[in-house]
Amino acid sequence: EADIYQTPRYLVIGTGKKITLECSQTMGHDKMYWYQQDPGMELHLIHYSYGVNSTEKGDLSSESTVSRIRTEHFPLTLESARPSHTSQYLCASSELGYNEQFFGPGTRLTVL
Amino acid sequence: AQTVTQSQPEMSVQEAETVTLSCTYDTSESDYYLFWYKQPPSRQMILVIRQEAYKQQNATENRFSVNFQKAAKSFSLKISDSQLGDAAMYFCAYSSARQLTFGSGTQLTVLP
Repeated sequence: EADIYQTPRYLVIGTGKKITLECSQTMGHDKMYWYQQDPGMELHLIHYSYGVNSTEKGDLSSESTVSRIRTEHFPLTLESARPSHTSQYLCASSELGYNEQFFGPGTRLTVL
Repeated sequence: AQTVTQSQPEMSVQEAETVTLSCTYDTSESDYYLFWYKQPPSRQMILVIRQEAYKQQNATENRFSVNFQKAAKSFSLKISDSQLGDAAMYFCAYSSARQLTFGSGTQLTVLP
């Protein structure tokens, strides 16, 4: 079944740790996105990609980095997590053009 | 840059009644898509309804319909016969060829 997956769903870590949030989609979509969202608040685009080896920063400045080595995989990495990084991170994908984005279930990150 | 405005941070509706969520947007483009997304508490963001700007006819999906006023740049969502499962955060979104821009969301409460 075509879908978009995120792991882990919940993560609690200490300050200074390096973490990678995984996102994979089986829909063959070229475009993928990462959003940051505090509970009950609006979404902020932090990274996007139009295809393999293409990554761009979004509207909200983020200390995270992303890579796109395979079409289906778009991981997000924080080299040194801080409490200010505590948030929910949503991954999404879409076809090229004006099509709607399909969202993963999200990763809720807590940095102590 | 495109902006999307949802002027109602919170709304409530009695079960079985009808509610309308407002959304306005600003753009200089003539070709675009508009979407309403639903994000239930602690659950995945899903697409409710989409509207192509070139179509004059308002989109309808079962109990969900939109009132698309292109000249006024307005895109409201009407939910008929509201159900408890409709309780969620609703996001209006504007899509150009480049990216999706979200509004700040409207938290809908359904009262039994």
